[in-house]
Amino acid sequence: EVQLVQSGAEVKKPGESLRISCKGSGYSFTSYWITWVRQMPGKGLEWMGKIDPADSQIYYSPSLQHHLTLSVDKSISTAYLQWSSLKASDTAMYYCARQDFDHWYFDLWGRGTLVTVSS
Amino acid sequence: EIVLTQSPGTLSLSPGERATLSCRASQSVSTAYFAWYQQKPGQAPRLLIYGASSRTAGIPDRFSGSGSGTDFTLTISRLEPEDFAVYYCQQYGSSPYTFGQGTKLEIK
Repeated sequence: EVQLVQSGAEVKKPGESLRISCKGSGYSFTSYWITWVRQMPGKGLEWMGKIDPADSQIYYSPSLQHHLTLSVDKSISTAYLQWSSLKASDTAMYYCARQDFDHWYFDLWGRGTLVTVSS
Repeated sequence: EIVLTQSPGTLSLSPGERATLSCRASQSVSTAYFAWYQQKPGQAPRLLIYGASSRTAGIPDRFSGSGSGTDFTLTISRLEPEDFAVYYCQQYGSSPYTFGQGTKLEIK
């Protein structure tokens, strides 16, 4: 089955670090970007950035690039989204999605990882 | 950054009716890089339409997309109960990729 499987929900305190994951299966992992989308509680969708699993080339949204890190381990078909110091405002659902190299649309989505940051 | 504004914010209709959702861009968007997504509560978004008018595999033909430049439309010809959800437009041709704020389609 073609799917993206995301890691489970996390509860963290402000200032803590966190890495969440997104594992692709059923397709050639290096043939599509992995893109990340944030959805804050009750809000809409916000693109965060994308990574090319083949060469780890990264594109960040300018509004978020200083606060997060994207990475990938193509040997295990897994992409990561990482924070070094979480803020309460990072509380959100985070989705990874597959982005087609040729047409650029987001055609396959993970179920999301809920991150809650609270003291 | 291209800002996408969707209207209306909420659309109340009955099953069997026709739904017309609009998305206006702050600057011209290539039709090749414009999409519509459906999101139901507790679920991830699902790609419905890409390239402004192409349906993703498995999407019923009651869903259709149209438009160009700065004005795009998603039409659902005859609403089924499972169509009531939130719909987002997106442009993915200019970084940062942006989404509209969403239109909630609710049962009247």
